[in-house]
Amino acid sequence: AQSVTQLDSHVSVSEGTPVLLRCNYSSSYSPSLFWYVQHPNKGLQLLLKYTSAATLVKGINGFEAEFKKSETSFHLTKPSAHMSDAAEYFCVVSGRVSGGYQKVTFGIGTKLQVIP
Amino acid sequence: GAGVSQSPRYKVAKRGQDVALRCDPISGHVSLFWYQQALGQGPEFLTYFQNEAQLDKSGLPSDRFFAERPEGSVSTLKIQRTQQEDSAVYLCASSLPGQVYSYEQYFGPGTRLTVT
Repeated sequence: AQSVTQLDSHVSVSEGTPVLLRCNYSSSYSPSLFWYVQHPNKGLQLLLKYTSAATLVKGINGFEAEFKKSETSFHLTKPSAHMSDAAEYFCVVSGRVSGGYQKVTFGIGTKLQVIP
Repeated sequence: GAGVSQSPRYKVAKRGQDVALRCDPISGHVSLFWYQQALGQGPEFLTYFQNEAQLDKSGLPSDRFFAERPEGSVSTLKIQRTQQEDSAVYLCASSLPGQVYSYEQYFGPGTRLTVT
């Protein structure tokens, strides 16, 4: 079985303050984990990915995430929010399921609001 | 091409009509996925192809939904006798071959289907 839980549906931060978007997962296999961003009326863009290498993953636009196996978490952070970060963020888990093929599961998304 | 393309970008159908949505993946990408994203929700997995083989169709909501990828490149998602609950954005994604679960997916812009 495989699932993703994004703990906050909405997060609001002031410009210049840190961002924390929380994600917990469960998987029967060693999963790969991703964060995608979706700006209004735009396609999904990959921010970063974890694929069993370094547990601290750096992505685009100053975002990073830390894979913590003991906590089954993959929280997304950024030290200082920018207005252009306002978007919806999706945590995604991908793993090999029985039958040997890929299964991809999206979280419900966290809408990030940045206040000037 | 440079990215995943989908057509049409917008489709309005009267209830009961059949629709066909097209996806052109990135050249050389073996894996292709279809997702349904309802308003305010995360993408929900519909089906997955590896080349022309449809390996997972567990997410298709009913037998009115049908997908094909006959030559292992372009894919078509067909919805027969559309219902209002089919209104959503339909996303297509492709990824590299090999250990598929560890590769990120590249998403198209989506087709917004509105059933009236």
